[in-house]
Amino acid sequence: DVKVTQSSRYLVKRTGEKVFLECVQDMDHENMFWYRQDPGLGLRLIYFSYDVKMKEKGDIPEGYSVSREKKERFSLILESASTNQTSMYLCASSLPQGRMYEQYFGPGTRLTVT
Amino acid sequence: GESVGLHLPTLSVQEGDNSIINCAYSNSASDYFIWYKQESGKGPQFIIDIRSNMDKRQGQRVTVLLNKTVKHLSLQIAATQPGDSAVYFCAENMGSQGNLIFGKGTKLSVKP
Repeated sequence: DVKVTQSSRYLVKRTGEKVFLECVQDMDHENMFWYRQDPGLGLRLIYFSYDVKMKEKGDIPEGYSVSREKKERFSLILESASTNQTSMYLCASSLPQGRMYEQYFGPGTRLTVT
Repeated sequence: GESVGLHLPTLSVQEGDNSIINCAYSNSASDYFIWYKQESGKGPQFIIDIRSNMDKRQGQRVTVLLNKTVKHLSLQIAATQPGDSAVYFCAENMGSQGNLIFGKGTKLSVKP
């Protein structure tokens, strides 16, 4: 059974803290994605990676960075957390070709920045 | 920029009835259109897709219809069950790496 795991289900951080969200997939997928999900706005793409050490900006990359040192792991970094980054963060992975739009999602991390 | 949107944010149906969830899109160049289901406390889960050169595709109890003339996508669920209660997102495939643009979602509630 395919699996995408995220390091935390709930996280509370203070404004200005550096925050790391970790995502691991066991499907040997090349593509990995980070989204944030907010009520009424759907899912918005922050960053994605199609290979180790590769990254591409999505629609809303400001205030975020990512790291992909190993194929199975994709990290989202909030350099200095702000209250407007309070959100649900979802990680996903997919194959590079063919059904690459069929993304497998983790359960999400609900981040609260106070 | 162009985006995928939904006509209705909420839909309530009786158990056993058919459900129809609608979606409007604006990019004629998208290759694939996809429906995802998100149950409470879980990440979205792929349901069904349709390629842009098709107008209908059927799965198990679900059918997706694509009308390119009016840029409209719909998901039909037959004999809706309580387990179908979830938020449904449509998405379109924009890039070569499988990048998706998601709609805002429709919440489906099934009344027993």
